Amino acid sequence: GDSVTQMEGPVTLSEEACLTINCTYTATGYPSLFWYVQYPGEGLQLLLKATKADDKGSNKGFEATYRKETTSFHLEKGSVQVSDSAVYFCALTPTGNQFYFGTGTSLTVIP
Amino acid sequence: EAGVAQSPRYKIIEKRQSVAFWCNPISGHATLYWYQQILGQGPKLLIQFQNNGVVDDSQLPKDRFSAERLKGVDSTLKIQPAKLEDSAVYLCASSLAGDEQYFGPGTRLTVT
Repeated sequence: GDSVTQMEGPVTLSEEACLTINCTYTATGYPSLFWYVQYPGEGLQLLLKATKADDKGSNKGFEATYRKETTSFHLEKGSVQVSDSAVYFCALTPTGNQFYFGTGTSLTVIP
Repeated sequence: EAGVAQSPRYKIIEKRQSVAFWCNPISGHATLYWYQQILGQGPKLLIQFQNNGVVDDSQLPKDRFSAERLKGVDSTLKIQPAKLEDSAVYLCASSLAGDEQYFGPGTRLTVT
């Protein structure tokens, strides 16, 4: 069945370090892919998305490229800030109905 | 534009008691989702509504969980009776076209 696997955390980085959170997926057809972010005490917020192969989603300095050949959608940021500390979830939907989320990766950025 | 509203934000109950959560989606959003998020895990879909009809409830424990969306707007999720393993955050989300979900702040349930 459809599923998402993302790297386990927690991840701790110093401010201005580079970030990569790996995400791979299993799906039939051509799913849409998402990264959601959850700040402490809040609900999930959409960070970025890509709906077809080779699309690059970007927002707030974060980027992820839909790689069909490697079934991946890794999240990257060149220089993290303390305010980026949160839990990040990779997700997919094959049809726009059922959504599948990864287990989340906790990121802590220290000054 | 107002976001997805949920209440209560926190609830503590004893096992075998009942509890209800309320969700008001973004105005005009036809699709409404209820998720269960256990600590350290990703959200798991419990039920999805399209207007006031159920699209998917395959992972809803129907012996104790029920949900309704009267008039295709707000929705209520109920647990009766609650078990210890129901302790989780219950998230409501809504969607206009099915490809992007907007989440509420969640209800944190603790069953003792």
